[in-house]
Amino acid sequence: GQQLNQSPQSMFIQEGEDVSMNCTSSSIFNTWLWYKQDPGEGPVLLIALYKAGELTSNGRLTAQFGITRKDSFLNISASIPSDVGIYFCAGQLKLAPRSGSARQLTFGSGTQLTVLP
Amino acid sequence: NAGVTQTPKFQVLKTGQSMTLQCAQDMNHNSMYWYRQDPGMGLRLIYYSASEGTTDKGEVPNGYNVSRLNKREFSLRLESAAPSQTSVYFCASSELTEAFFGQGTRLTVV
Repeated sequence: GQQLNQSPQSMFIQEGEDVSMNCTSSSIFNTWLWYKQDPGEGPVLLIALYKAGELTSNGRLTAQFGITRKDSFLNISASIPSDVGIYFCAGQLKLAPRSGSARQLTFGSGTQLTVLP
Repeated sequence: NAGVTQTPKFQVLKTGQSMTLQCAQDMNHNSMYWYRQDPGMGLRLIYYSASEGTTDKGEVPNGYNVSRLNKREFSLRLESAAPSQTSVYFCASSELTEAFFGQGTRLTVV
């Protein structure tokens, strides 16, 4: 099946620093998504990217959909303690054949972010 | 604003036992999904239901069955649990792009 390579696996940063993480794939995706997962919770969507080359911001978060449609990155600026968690990239394709509105998400393995005070 | 609700939150099973994980969503979404999450592997799709009355296999369906009981509910059944099914299970629902996830069920098979 499709695979996403997400890096780094873990990061330890000082509060106030900027963070960058990325995902690459051997396959093309129609949509790239970035999720955050807090301990004991399900993933929550942070940013969705729909077009190759698209650059989208959500507060301190910025993400880009790679021009080849095979990669994406997420930047977090001026990190704060509540940024701690696991960040997942996900590539999305329409499921076939009788999929209707269903979409398959292929997830990266996650980046564990720790913010040190 | 319940969103996606999963029960139970925690479960310990003996090898060979069966159980059903329940999931319900109140957002009137057509599509529902079951994922499993294992350390260092992200989330992998087990089964999905594009709409009421349809179910299809995902990436890792072996050892599982599902039922889309109605538009709101999508259950996952383990007929004969195995230690390899120890994992955290997430139900999700979506209407096009954004998938909303439940809080997860942590299942241990001993």
